[in-house]
Amino acid sequence: GENVEQHPSTLSVQEGDSAVIKCTYSDSASNYFPWYKQELGKGPQLIIDIRSNVGEKKDQRIAVTLNKTAKHFSLHITETQPEDSAVYFCAAKYNFNKFYFGSGTKLNVKP
Amino acid sequence: EPEVTQTPSHQVTQMGQEVILRCVPISNHLYFYWYRQILGQKVEFLVSFYNNEISEKSEIFDDQFSVERPDGSNFTLKIRSTKLEDSAMYFCASSEAVSGEQYFGPGTRLTVT
Repeated sequence: GENVEQHPSTLSVQEGDSAVIKCTYSDSASNYFPWYKQELGKGPQLIIDIRSNVGEKKDQRIAVTLNKTAKHFSLHITETQPEDSAVYFCAAKYNFNKFYFGSGTKLNVKP
Repeated sequence: EPEVTQTPSHQVTQMGQEVILRCVPISNHLYFYWYRQILGQKVEFLVSFYNNEISEKSEIFDDQFSVERPDGSNFTLKIRSTKLEDSAMYFCASSEAVSGEQYFGPGTRLTVT
């Protein structure tokens, strides 16, 4: 099966700085990589995703990059704001519709 | 904006009891999922469901678990005889297509005492 590793487990940045969260996956058959934001007491919310035929995708302050050869993908948040503070999860879809999640990164944006 | 809803938000039960967790997926979605998240751990896939049958399940989803779509809107997860280690947050998700984005509900916190 698939194994997704996520780093760092916690990340503290100053408001306005950039934040980068990295994930690696083990199975080259994985073809879809979503990122979820989970706020306290809520379910994971999809914020951006990327498919294996694309190397980079951007949506306003959020971008995701994928390196299929190295089997890693990253979430980049620019101009961070206090409301970006949450736990972020990466995931990889291995087969059919089964997702494997990373262990999460707690992002703290200090005002 | 359509969203996945789950009830109850918190369920406390005694070991050995049966529990049913309920979900209402987004109305035009065809694929449904259950995940669980033990406190402080990863979100783990339990089962996916399509066309009134299980399409995939994990090793966690043993004979104590079952899923059902009893009507056109609800999707349920039943745990027949709960164990202490079943205590977790259970998330329901749905997607429009097998390759589509999965949208998660707010979760049900299950506490087994």
